[in-house]
Amino acid sequence: DAMVIQNPRYQVTQFGKPVTLSCSQTLNHNVMYWYQQKSSQAPKLLFHYYDKDFNNEADTPDNFQSRRPNTSFCFLDIRSPGLGDAAMYLCATSRDRVQPQHFGDGTRLSIL
Amino acid sequence: GENVEQHPSTLSVQEGDSAVIKCTYSDSASNYFPWYKQELGKGPQLIIDIRSNVGEKKDQRIAVTLNKTAKHFSLHITETQPEDSAVYFCAVFDMNSGYSTLTFGKGTMLLVSP
Repeated sequence: DAMVIQNPRYQVTQFGKPVTLSCSQTLNHNVMYWYQQKSSQAPKLLFHYYDKDFNNEADTPDNFQSRRPNTSFCFLDIRSPGLGDAAMYLCATSRDRVQPQHFGDGTRLSIL
Repeated sequence: GENVEQHPSTLSVQEGDSAVIKCTYSDSASNYFPWYKQELGKGPQLIIDIRSNVGEKKDQRIAVTLNKTAKHFSLHITETQPEDSAVYFCAVFDMNSGYSTLTFGKGTMLLVSP
């Protein structure tokens, strides 16, 4: 089945140690999104790519960056994770900006 | 910016009962309203959506109603089953904006008891 795949499902890193989360899609969608979701909260958009065009939300910390080397893959880099960055990170895709978004099952990030 | 209010935050029902979750929004330009179901440890799953030119949409036991004048929309689940237990999020979107993103409600935890 076509889907959005996130790896790993669980990631543990140390305070201040860079970490990369990955997302791949077989839907051939133009738009890929990264969301942060903390416990009992709604997903919060960090940024999205429309094809190769990167769009950062105004309140996304500089500590968070993203790369999209091709249509299928997108990466979330956290340069110096702090304890407050522990969360579920969700990747989503949509055919276009105005089309429904389809989510992966997320990566749960823990900071030691 | 858009503001979405979702109620209730928690809803407990008996198996077979109906469940209703309501959302209100502030931006009259919003014209696409999806509902997502999120089970524990999984990502949100799109279960139904409605666009502003339609007042109601049904898919088996799930329905969504939209009142654009009042700026509110609701999710209706009939004949609830234990597997309906999850967190449900409403969201709004302005399809006519070249740079619009989903705005989510805070979520409703639905608990269906056998």
